[in-house]
Amino acid sequence: QSALTQPASVSGSPGQSITISCTGTSSDVGGYNYVSWYRQSPGKAPKLMIFEVRNRPSGVSPRFSGSKSGSTASLTISGLQAEDEADFYCSSYTSSNTYVFGTGTKVTVL
Amino acid sequence: QLQLQESGPGLVKPSETLSLTCTVSGDSISSSSNHWGWIRQPPGKGLEWIGNIFYSGTTYYNPSLKSRVTMTVDTSKNQFSLKLSSVTAADTALYYCARLSWRFFDYWGQGALLTVSS
Repeated sequence: QSALTQPASVSGSPGQSITISCTGTSSDVGGYNYVSWYRQSPGKAPKLMIFEVRNRPSGVSPRFSGSKSGSTASLTISGLQAEDEADFYCSSYTSSNTYVFGTGTKVTVL
Repeated sequence: QLQLQESGPGLVKPSETLSLTCTVSGDSISSSSNHWGWIRQPPGKGLEWIGNIFYSGTTYYNPSLKSRVTMTVDTSKNQFSLKLSSVTAADTALYYCARLSWRFFDYWGQGALLTVSS
């Protein structure tokens, strides 16, 4: 199975909105509403930010939102803050009853 | 509060078998409907799903690793384990255990670094 495709880096100024894309196929992202997003700060374990395309776990800021169109999922961070600098990964359930992660995106706050 | 803690040798020689254990506290592996998974991250690289196990012993593995991976569960100790055989330097990574809640990983351990070197 191939990793989902994410841009290597995305940047924005404080207060702006940025969007990270996650492109897969009809066998994963396009076939199921089981896309999740994780934030990983340096030296830390990944943290769940979005599950099932658009749902936020308790405690996650509403500035984080998810969506999907076809085989591409997206994570939008609104009102960008310095603390949002981190690596972000998407993940999807697949038709083979397996899971695949994205290539990862480094978010930089200018 | 659910917590997961990985434990392992830290250093493994090439061609040997890597063994890791994840100890779960705050939730019972056998009473939960969740699966339990392993994910790894080579230094400076992205995340790679290794596989999942249910308390009954049902397993699902990454096809690219399937021939070398074995996962087991010990409900009496509330632990699950990973064995990866015939390791090479490419298997050097931070290995995370995590709870798979339906279709997403909601709780993660802090990670255990495994280095393959002679």
